[in-house]
Amino acid sequence: EIVLTQSPDFQSVTAKEKVTITCRASQSIASSLHWYQQKPDQSPKLLIKYASQSIPGVPSRFRGGGSGTDFTLTINGLEAEDAATYYCHQTSGLPRTFGQGTKVEIK
Amino acid sequence: EVQLVESGGGLVQPGGSLRLSCVASGFTFSAYWMSWVRQAPGKGLEWVANIKEDESEKSYVDSIKGRFTISRDNAKSAVFLQMNSLTDDDTAMYFCARQVYGDYVDYWGQGTLVTVSS
Repeated sequence: EIVLTQSPDFQSVTAKEKVTITCRASQSIASSLHWYQQKPDQSPKLLIKYASQSIPGVPSRFRGGGSGTDFTLTINGLEAEDAATYYCHQTSGLPRTFGQGTKVEIK
Repeated sequence: EVQLVESGGGLVQPGGSLRLSCVASGFTFSAYWMSWVRQAPGKGLEWVANIKEDESEKSYVDSIKGRFTISRDNAKSAVFLQMNSLTDDDTAMYFCARQVYGDYVDYWGQGTLVTVSS
């Protein structure tokens, strides 16, 4: 099983600041890494596919990067509506797995 | 508009069974892999199972192998999760999800809550 480890688990950030979340895979997964945002009592929403590819309708402040085992999700200029938990998800191997999540709070 | 609507959740005793359903609309259901993903209360996401467009391939997470079965009915645009021998650890919100090319999930339902308790 491919284990995904996100850091940090929690981040409290002031609006307009830059946020960086990392996701490390236990083995190389090329670019088969996707990012989701989940707000309280909502289902997850796709933010980034294949490590760095943008999704129509997702604000451009969300950027993804990395390949192999190390990946990042960057939010440039955090907005109040970005308060949520963020998950990385790999589709390189079975079973599919998710990172444990990173909760982002607005100070 | 893509819509995924789950049903079938509820309270069940340990050792019991439930059958979850997910009805899809707004896209050609038979052209997509489908998945179930669950989330225990206050916890993270856990992929449970997926199924290919024609049911020729199915995969499961180890913790539910032999107890859960995923199936689909393309004529009804529906995917199902038969859950048997339920334990407390199966308590979770269960989300139905659409996969693109059997890969990443692009749409999620709102979920159906399964509570296993005596």
